[in-house]
Amino acid sequence: NAGVTQTPKFRVLKTGQSMTLLCAQDMNHEYMYWYRQDPGMGLRLIHYSVGEGTTAKGEVPDGYNVSRLKKQNFLLGLESAAPSQTSVYFCASSYTIQGTPTYNEQFFGPGTRLTVL
Amino acid sequence: KNEVEQSPQNLTAQEGEFITINCSYSVGISALHWLQQHPGGGIVSLFMLSSGKKKHGRLIATINIQEKHSSLHITASHPRDSAVYICAVDDNYGQNFVFGPGTRLSVLP
Repeated sequence: NAGVTQTPKFRVLKTGQSMTLLCAQDMNHEYMYWYRQDPGMGLRLIHYSVGEGTTAKGEVPDGYNVSRLKKQNFLLGLESAAPSQTSVYFCASSYTIQGTPTYNEQFFGPGTRLTVL
Repeated sequence: KNEVEQSPQNLTAQEGEFITINCSYSVGISALHWLQQHPGGGIVSLFMLSSGKKKHGRLIATINIQEKHSSLHITASHPRDSAVYICAVDDNYGQNFVFGPGTRLSVLP
């Protein structure tokens, strides 16, 4: 199993350009997430999905859009990149461990380092 | 909105020392997670817990739900333990994870 993969690993954009980050998982997980990690701050949730065809906003959704057309893929789009979107982006997927209590264990991709000039 | 704090921010230890990293959160949760982020950037899950104590090898995690506090202990620390340790709380059964800023640990030989 490849686990969670992210494409690309690095990207440099100019202000106003658009791009799509791809996250893929081969573990049949229902839940998928996009986070950004900035220096001195914790990971922050951008958008998440609890299943194919569904998405929801997280803590910092502005400037981003997502789609989950297939269960194994979660795409993050930047329509008009801004320097404030310079960050490291992590995708994660999780599955629910049923029981008492119920846990959701997260598996992370390797990250995408994005620089917007 | 849940706020997650960690202390210390940075920690340098000598090989063999006992290490404690603390995490506190502000609102009720369904579970707390400890994660490790290696210098290369990869993030792996170490523990998930909602009560009591768990142990994996030299790592021990405890949680006190009433006090909204968790600790991660590393016994007999080793240079390969050098990493950023991140506390995260799940306050909506997998639909909302809130992360602490991380504790950067350096273990010197």
